[in-house]
Parts: sequence; C-alpha cells; structure tokens
Amino acid sequence: DTAVSQTPKYLVTQMGNDKSIKCEQNLGHDTMYWYKQDSKKFLKIMFSYNNKELIINETVPNRFSPKSPDKAHLNLHINSLELGDSAVYFCASSPPGDLYSSYNEQFFGPGTRLTVL
Amino acid sequence: AQSVTQLGSHVSVSEGALVLLRCNYSSSVPPYLFWYVQYPNQGLQLLLKYTSAATLVKGINGFEAEFKKSETSFHLTKPSAHMSDAAEYFCAVSRSSGFQKLVFGTGTRLLVSP
Repeated sequence: DTAVSQTPKYLVTQMGNDKSIKCEQNLGHDTMYWYKQDSKKFLKIMFSYNNKELIINETVPNRFSPKSPDKAHLNLHINSLELGDSAVYFCASSPPGDLYSSYNEQFFGPGTRLTVL
Repeated sequence: AQSVTQLGSHVSVSEGALVLLRCNYSSSVPPYLFWYVQYPNQGLQLLLKYTSAATLVKGINGFEAEFKKSETSFHLTKPSAHMSDAAEYFCAVSRSSGFQKLVFGTGTRLLVSP
C-alpha cells in the first residue's frame, strides 16, 4: 500500500519542453507539498496546498505551476524546461492542516528525477 | 527567518561506534525541530521531532536527540551504529504556529564501515 506515490520516477527531456509530475496520497491528509532537491542534496520547499488551496508559494519561477484537483492529488507542471530545473522533485503530505499543525510529520514520496538535456 | 546548520557534510564511523550528527538552529520564535533520514534513491522518513514536550526525544531505530535552547542545538545521537544506518540525515526547523513550513539543513551523509 503506497502512501505517497509519484509518477514518473524518472523523466528525461529536452530544454524548452513542458512536462508534468503527478503526486497522489492515500493517507487522507489535507496538506501536500512539493520540494526540489538539487544535485548537492539541498532540499527546499516550493509549494504547499491545504484542502486544495495554495498556502505556501516560495520564490519559484512562474514556469512552475502546481495544481490540486482534489485533496489527494497535487500535480506539478513545468513549462519551458531549463537545464537548471534538473533535480529530484519530492511530493509530501501531512495530516489535517490548521493553525496548530506545525508539529506534524510529513510523509514523502519516492521522488521524481528530472533530467533536462 | 528560520534556518538550520548541519556541521559536517560527511561523518564516518565504524560499526558499533557512537553516532553524533550536529544540528544548530536559528529561529526568532519557539521552533519545532525534526530529523529526517533519506536512504539511497528513496524519499525522506521522519526519525524524531521536538515539539516542546520534552527536551530529550527518542525516535526510531535507536536514535535520539536533545534540544538545548542555550546552545540552539538539536544534535542526533545513536549509541551503536549499524551498517543499515548509512544514509543522508537532514535536520529541519519549522515555526511553531501557522501552517508547517520546513526549512532543511544541507544534510549529513553518515558512512558506516565494518
């Protein structure tokens, strides 16, 4: 029983292309996240959604657009891919979010390794 | 703004030896602190967390960490390393109110030799 799943696991594409990464969680969580992990393993949050509503939007190029069709899904679409977008992208989720949920554990997916050529 | 600093990008120990991974935090508000572990080609998994209930926190796989406000530290320890502990370890800080926003350190790779 996969808790947080991502597709695809690997994505190799050319500069300038548009691609999407899908994330699904079956944990019943309200809050979902996208992280970018660069080649030096540095992990940084990109976006966070709570009940399909965007609550965290870090300084990310407009080429990145998250979409949450329902609480269980958070997809990431990337337009006009650049070399610097090459990284591992992790989706995560955490239990019901409210003003007092900062202590909650986040559950991470296995990651999508994006390589832009 | 919140941040964490992990001293040492790599730590090498022998099997059976003490593991000590260092983490110092900076936060203008009372923080929540976390240690996550990442095994090769996998996502992150929570080891333990500090949420102001107790300063000595025990986690999974025999790991523990102590919150020291005076030193702004949250170092991770394990008395006896196993080969299976070899992984990347991340310290993270979150504000203690509002929606969670984890800020991660740069990670420490733990290498365990036989």
